[in-house]
Amino acid sequence: DAGITQSPRYKITETGRQVTLMCHQTWSHSYMFWYRQDLGHGLRLIYYSAAADITDKGEVPDGYVVSRSKTENFPLTLESATRSQTSVYFCASSRTSGSFGYNEQFFGPGTRLTVL
Amino acid sequence: DQQVKQNSPSLSVQEGRISILNCDYTNSMFDYFLWYKKYPAEGPTFLISISSIKDKNEDGRFTVFLNKSAKHLSLHIVPSQPGDSAVYFCAASATQGGSEKLVFGKGTKLTVNP
Repeated sequence: DAGITQSPRYKITETGRQVTLMCHQTWSHSYMFWYRQDLGHGLRLIYYSAAADITDKGEVPDGYVVSRSKTENFPLTLESATRSQTSVYFCASSRTSGSFGYNEQFFGPGTRLTVL
Repeated sequence: DQQVKQNSPSLSVQEGRISILNCDYTNSMFDYFLWYKKYPAEGPTFLISISSIKDKNEDGRFTVFLNKSAKHLSLHIVPSQPGDSAVYFCAASATQGGSEKLVFGKGTKLTVNP
């Protein structure tokens, strides 16, 4: 029962390089999310996806690109990394909530990205 | 404009005492609230939630209280244990709008001293 995994766990790159962070979940959850965690800001939503081939912007989408060709994968790409994108990135997934209540999001272990 | 606010960046309590973590929100469309716990170098894990139709939800040592009129919720941990030391995030969702998105507060770092 792997759950939700992220790779790599740590990444150091240089300004201007393209970086892709991977996220994989084994639950067949419909929804997947990307967050960044920065000191003083908590968790901020970058992009999310309701299903394969359906993605939408979150609070801080600039400089990021996502795709979702398969339900289980949701890669996040920094097309030209900047120092301000140094952060810890978390992927999460959840089932669709339906009419009542809310299905909580399950988080991956995170990727610590440093842009030099 | 911060829709979910955790105004205390840190809280320190003695083992066995009560920990009270607070959260305020501004968006009246929020109708479901969650607390997540995060240890260093790990992802957040779901702790407890509450729907806006309730004012209290209890799960073992953890109780969440919701005051809709004040747009305020709190997490009570009784008794506090050293293993509870972590960052706690409050999160909210506007489920009636069909949104699955969560809006998180900045977190409160809880330290439980033995």
